[in-house]
Amino acid sequence: NAGVTQTPKFRILKIGQSMTLQCTQDMNHNYMYWYRQDPGMGLKLIYYSVGAGITDKGEVPNGYNVSRSTTEDFPLRLELAAPSQTSVYFCASSLGNTIYFGEGSWLTVV
Amino acid sequence: QQQVKQSPQSLIVQKGGISIINCAYENTAFDYFPWYQQFPGKGPALLIAIRPDVSEKKEGRFTISFNKSAKQFSLHIMDSQPGDSATYFCAAYDYKLTFGKGTLLTVNP
Repeated sequence: NAGVTQTPKFRILKIGQSMTLQCTQDMNHNYMYWYRQDPGMGLKLIYYSVGAGITDKGEVPNGYNVSRSTTEDFPLRLELAAPSQTSVYFCASSLGNTIYFGEGSWLTVV
Repeated sequence: QQQVKQSPQSLIVQKGGISIINCAYENTAFDYFPWYQQFPGKGPALLIAIRPDVSEKKEGRFTISFNKSAKQFSLHIMDSQPGDSATYFCAAYDYKLTFGKGTLLTVNP
């Protein structure tokens, strides 16, 4: 019963590099989300998807891209990493109004 | 514009005391109000939730009070325990969650 699985758990990235945070869920949920969490700021929505092939911007989408080719997977791509993208990233999924979160990915951009 | 405002930012309570965290929202389209608990190094986990047609919901030591006309809701933790020490987030749902900034709760033994 894996739920929402994110990889990697930790990553250090150099300024200007690119990377993809992977997210997969095994609950057959249609809705998936990416949030970032910064100290004292709560969680802010980056992108979300209501189903395979459909994605939309959240509150803080700049510098990120997503795709949703399958129900299970919702990768988050960081292009040209910047220090402002140092954060903890959480993937989540939902069926209805109960949202389940992954364990998080700690990203540092230096 | 912060759609969900949460207070206090931090809270220290003695074991056995009552912890109270407050939230206010602006968007009347929100139709579900969950509270999440987060321990260091972990993702947020659903603690308790309420719909706007209910004024109070209780699950064990945790109670949500909801005031629809004031657009406010609060979490009460009765008989607070050291194991309750965590960050608590209120949130509001309209096909996505909008979070408050969180409250760091410390329960001293």
